[in-house]
Amino acid sequence: GDSVTQMEGPVTLSEEAFLTINCTYTATGYPSLFWYVQYPGEGLQLLLKATKADDKGSNKGFEATYRKETTSFHLEKGSVQVSDSAVYFCALSDRSGAGSYQLTFGKGTKLSVIP
Amino acid sequence: EADIYQTPRYLVIGTGKKITLECSQTMGHDKMYWYQQDPGMELHLIHYSYGVNSTEKGDLSSESTVSRIRTEHFPLTLESARPSHTSQYLCASSEFGTTTGELFFGEGSRLTVL
Repeated sequence: GDSVTQMEGPVTLSEEAFLTINCTYTATGYPSLFWYVQYPGEGLQLLLKATKADDKGSNKGFEATYRKETTSFHLEKGSVQVSDSAVYFCALSDRSGAGSYQLTFGKGTKLSVIP
Repeated sequence: EADIYQTPRYLVIGTGKKITLECSQTMGHDKMYWYQQDPGMELHLIHYSYGVNSTEKGDLSSESTVSRIRTEHFPLTLESARPSHTSQYLCASSEFGTTTGELFFGEGSRLTVL
């Protein structure tokens, strides 16, 4: 079955540091890939997505590139801010079933950014 | 901005009480979901629905039940709450014919059973 593996946290960085959160996946079909973010006390919000190989998703300074050859979708940001402190989830949605999608989530990585 | 709402946001109740967590969306989405989020942040799918009168159990067994009488409404009920039900519950929705499978989430209902 489909699965997502992301780097375990927690991750603590100083403000303006470079961020990488690793994510690899296993899927039988042609998945779309997502990064969701959950700020303290809130639900999940879509941060960025990529729907096919070599696509790059980007939003709020975050980027991730869909790498089919390495089955990866690593999240990066060049300079983190305190406001980026949150839990980040990598996820995939397999398009193998017509009209029937199920999102598979990684376990989440908690990021804390200190001033 | 996603239009999916959950109430209550926070609930503290005693053991044995019946509770219903409400979830409504105004996007006309056919598919709706309930996830349980454990303290370690991992998400577990407990129920989903393809549309009106459709309910399915998810990957994690749950003592809760759901109903889908209206497209926009997907309530979750616990007939007799126990401390083991203490958790964050997240509702989500998606378009049935979506080409990406993107989910839209509510802000969550945090349940504490004493």
